[in-house]
Amino acid sequence: SAVISQKPSRDICQRGTSLTIQCQVDSQVTMMFWYRQQPGQSLTLIATANQGSEATYESGFVIDKFPISRPNLTFSTLTVSNMSPEDSSIYLCSVVSQQETQYFGPGTRLLVL
Amino acid sequence: AQSVTQLGSHVSVSEGALVLLRCNYSSSVPPYLFWYVQYPNQGLQLLLKYTSAATLVKGINGFEAEFKKSETSFHLTKPSAHMSDAAEYFCAVSGGGADGLTFGKGTHLIIQP
Repeated sequence: SAVISQKPSRDICQRGTSLTIQCQVDSQVTMMFWYRQQPGQSLTLIATANQGSEATYESGFVIDKFPISRPNLTFSTLTVSNMSPEDSSIYLCSVVSQQETQYFGPGTRLLVL
Repeated sequence: AQSVTQLGSHVSVSEGALVLLRCNYSSSVPPYLFWYVQYPNQGLQLLLKYTSAATLVKGINGFEAEFKKSETSFHLTKPSAHMSDAAEYFCAVSGGGADGLTFGKGTHLIIQP
């Protein structure tokens, strides 16, 4: 399985600011995704990070709020913009292996005050 | 479109007893099905997956799941519970190995000594 790291592991931010989360994989992968896990809730897919093109967002998520970059096959960033307390969540990236299995990073715990 | 229903937000079993966590899915295409486990303050770990091969799937830590198309179910079982099995368990579905996952709400497994 791929080794996935995320930075930062956690952060506390003030409302109205933005935070960029990084996801790094130790091997080239085609598919990379971003998920959100709100407190005590399940995971919800935010978007598919496409290499070399704009991300594909799920219903309820928009690029202005969650801009995503995917400059190469091992790296992606998710920015949470103009944050409010409702954005307090764990944000996770995932990748799909050659065996069509999805593996997750350790997550970034975000608290917005 | 896919959806997942996990029956029982909390399941409590005695140590050594059978573990049964229920998952029913809805999918317009042949599904890929997954079970993930999340220990407190940790990321998601893949337990097992079904991708149209054998209907009985064996995973890590003694867990297994059986795909039943007629019942649209993918229940997770373990013959004998261990204290270390206490965690949150998520069932997930996708339409293909390269698709994003749709998660159930999760089941919190409690192991009684």
